[in-house]
Amino acid sequence: AQRVTQPEKLLSVFKGAPVELKCNYSYSGSPELFWYVQYSRQRLQLLLRHISRESIKGFTADLNKGETSFHLKKPFAQEEDSAMYYCALRAQGGSEKLVFGKGTKLTVNP
Amino acid sequence: NAGVMQNPRHLVRRRGQEARLRCSPMKGHSHVYWYRQLPEEGLKFMVYLQKENIIDESGMPKERFSAEFPKEGPSILRIQQVVRGDSAAYFCASSPRTDTEAFFGQGTRLTVV
Repeated sequence: AQRVTQPEKLLSVFKGAPVELKCNYSYSGSPELFWYVQYSRQRLQLLLRHISRESIKGFTADLNKGETSFHLKKPFAQEEDSAMYYCALRAQGGSEKLVFGKGTKLTVNP
Repeated sequence: NAGVMQNPRHLVRRRGQEARLRCSPMKGHSHVYWYRQLPEEGLKFMVYLQKENIIDESGMPKERFSAEFPKEGPSILRIQQVVRGDSAAYFCASSPRTDTEAFFGQGTRLTVV
């Protein structure tokens, strides 16, 4: 079965501090991993996907198959990064459905 | 392009009534996905449709729930004889083809009283 775990429900950091949002997954095959973000009163939007290996808004995430993790990192958090973050998995070559974690609410304090 | 449009944004139904949730995908998108989010939970996949076809309904409850995506018009998620446990946020997403980014709507918050 496919499962995504985000162990932190809430995460609070100060502006300028590094931030890491954790994501672990369970899947026997080769997955695609995504991070979605939902800012206050806005719709869910894709932040980044592991196959593109790009940095968006200063965020990066590396797929670690050995640890089955896809943690989201940013070296210097900004107040505008405050949002809900969801990690999601899609089975490669299978259904198009996404399996989401429960989300982490990030608050960046001034 | 206005993005994925869902209506209504908020829907209140009494137990036993029917709920109809609508999703208009982005222009040019023929793939639609429905997800449900219960309080304190992540989004859970319900159904994946292409025009006039249900591709994957593995996440749909066996009874009372149905979905369609007709040749013309929006995709409809229909819940018959709603119960309190159906109260949730229902999100729709669309994409132009497989293996591409899916764009989400703002969701419909269903409350069953």
